[in-house]
Amino acid sequence: GESVGLHLPTLSVQEGDNSIINCAYSNSASDYFIWYKQESGKGPQFIIDIRSNMDKRQGQRVTVLLNKTVKHLSLQIAATQPGDSAVYFCAESFQGGSEKLVFGKGTKLTVNP
Amino acid sequence: DTGVSQNPRHKITKRGQNVTFRCDPISEHNRLYWYRQTLGQGPEFLTYFQNEAQLEKSRLLSDRFSAERPKGSFSTLEIQRTEQGDSAMYLCASSNRLAGGHGAQYFGPGTRLLVL
Repeated sequence: GESVGLHLPTLSVQEGDNSIINCAYSNSASDYFIWYKQESGKGPQFIIDIRSNMDKRQGQRVTVLLNKTVKHLSLQIAATQPGDSAVYFCAESFQGGSEKLVFGKGTKLTVNP
Repeated sequence: DTGVSQNPRHKITKRGQNVTFRCDPISEHNRLYWYRQTLGQGPEFLTYFQNEAQLEKSRLLSDRFSAERPKGSFSTLEIQRTEQGDSAMYLCASSNRLAGGHGAQYFGPGTRLLVL
């Protein structure tokens, strides 16, 4: 069945370091992936998305890499700041029908000053 | 663009009572989704609308749950005869599906439900 999982439930980094959050997915039919940031008591906040016809996409301080061969997704955050502390979720969907998102459990990122 | 809004933000109710939540999507977004999130887990899909039509419902959506989007704009999610297991964060998201591809889903702040 569909599943999205994360390799590490927690990640602690120093301010200014780069962070890498990993995600594995199992549905080979998935063709769209999104990373969300969720702070305590708030809804998920869109960070960046990538379609399956791409391997890499860059945003402001963030980069998403997609490896379809091993069904792996990663989020890289450059120069991590205390405000980046949150839970990060990857989500997958496939085109057609509802395009509902399937989420993993999340990785908690803590940025130490 | 004021983002997705949800009301109320918090709801405490007694078991057996009915509750209704409202979601106002980003204007002109044609798709609206409801998800449920429990502590420590990622959101789980409940149902989705394209305009006013409810086109898919998850098996998580028991007969006690009903959702509407009467005019293709705001949506309501009602839970009848609430149970303690219904306690969760109820999230709404909207998207504007692009021709030939996905539209990113943007989430509201959620409604946190506690059933006593």
